[in-house]
Amino acid sequence: AQSVTQLGSHVSVSEGALVLLRCNYSSSVPPYLFWYVQYPNQGLQLLLKYTSAATLVKGINGFEAEFKKSETSFHLTKPSAHMSDAAEYFCAVSKAAGNKLTFGGGTRVLVKP
Amino acid sequence: DVKVTQSSRYLVKRTGEKVFLECVQDMDHENMFWYRQDPGLGLRLIYFSYDVKMKEKGDIPEGYSVSREKKERFSLILESASTNQTSMYLCASSFGGEGESNEQFFGPGTRLTVL
Repeated sequence: AQSVTQLGSHVSVSEGALVLLRCNYSSSVPPYLFWYVQYPNQGLQLLLKYTSAATLVKGINGFEAEFKKSETSFHLTKPSAHMSDAAEYFCAVSKAAGNKLTFGGGTRVLVKP
Repeated sequence: DVKVTQSSRYLVKRTGEKVFLECVQDMDHENMFWYRQDPGLGLRLIYFSYDVKMKEKGDIPEGYSVSREKKERFSLILESASTNQTSMYLCASSFGGEGESNEQFFGPGTRLTVL
């Protein structure tokens, strides 16, 4: 069975500081990996996805994530936080295209002025 | 733009009531999913469907059923609502097949409270 662990349910960063959200997965096969963002009172929106092409994946809003097979990690980063980045972020994994997703517990990001 | 709509944003029901949550997508997606979202637990898959009239259990199907009579519509049914089913319910859809992307598109969610 697949599982996803997001380290830290809450992260607080200052505006302009680095954002680092950690995601580790367990999967018996090479996975598809995703980061989604959920703004208050909204559904989830895709930030970026890894599908076995480049290991460094760039997404929307200046976010990127690096797939590290040896560490079974897919951490999300953004060099400089903006107030609009305050949201909840979810890492997810699936075994194959078109297959169901397994989500981590989510990390809520607070951005301080 | 892909659009996934859910019939209600907020819903309040009483214990024992039968509850229907409706989801409609407009992109001709084969796959549709129902999740519930609870603090600290992320999203957990209740049921999903790869085609009309097909359904498969997810990780937490107990107390729920689904119906997919048309490709664009996927309904979640709580046969007899209980207080532990108070949650946010999210519907999603995606293309089927073995293409590169299986991005799921989400609706805005229905916050259900069972009293």
